[in-house]
Amino acid sequence: NAGVTQTPKFQVLKTGQSMTLQCAQDMNHNSMYWYRQDPGMGLRLIYYSASEGTTDKGEVPNGYNVSRLNKREFSLRLESAAPSQTSVYFCASSRPGSRRGGYGYTFGSGTRLTVV
Amino acid sequence: DQQVKQNSPSLSVQEGRISILNCDYTNSMFDYFLWYKKYPAEGPTFLISISSIKDKNEDGRFTVFLNKSAKHLSLHIVPSQPGDSAVYFCAASVAFGNEKLTFGTGTRLTIIP
Repeated sequence: NAGVTQTPKFQVLKTGQSMTLQCAQDMNHNSMYWYRQDPGMGLRLIYYSASEGTTDKGEVPNGYNVSRLNKREFSLRLESAAPSQTSVYFCASSRPGSRRGGYGYTFGSGTRLTVV
Repeated sequence: DQQVKQNSPSLSVQEGRISILNCDYTNSMFDYFLWYKKYPAEGPTFLISISSIKDKNEDGRFTVFLNKSAKHLSLHIVPSQPGDSAVYFCAASVAFGNEKLTFGTGTRLTIIP
């Protein structure tokens, strides 16, 4: 059981380049999320998808777009990368009621992105 | 506006002693709270949670306490072990709707052998 898989694990981009971070889960979860982690800022929500076919902005959506391709996959796209987007990006998924059951989210292992 | 705050960026505790990690929140709509543990180069993993209808939840060496009037929760680890060295995030969610979590800034716990 792979859980949540993120690719790539590391990436260096030049300012202005574009790229897509991929995320896939095999737990049949309805909801998926993209967070970024920055020193002193914790984990901040970029976008989320409560179910297949829906996406909504989180706390820090500027400069990003997302696609919920199907129930398994949720991708994050940087159209024109900026140094301020240097961060560690985490994808997560959850099933309805999972927080009530104490399970919360299942996270991927992260993508470390550097924009120079 | 940081709705969930962890005011101690780091904490060092001797092995075998108690570790106490603190978390404060401002949004009175939060009704469910969780703690996550994160090792370097890995994603956060769920540790323990508590509903707002309780003031304490225990799981082995880990206990979470919730003080709703003070909008404060804490995580106690007893006894602390070297493998507990990690970054700990508290998180909170509102009662209804989707499963969005709001995370704190994290506390790096170091257990000294």
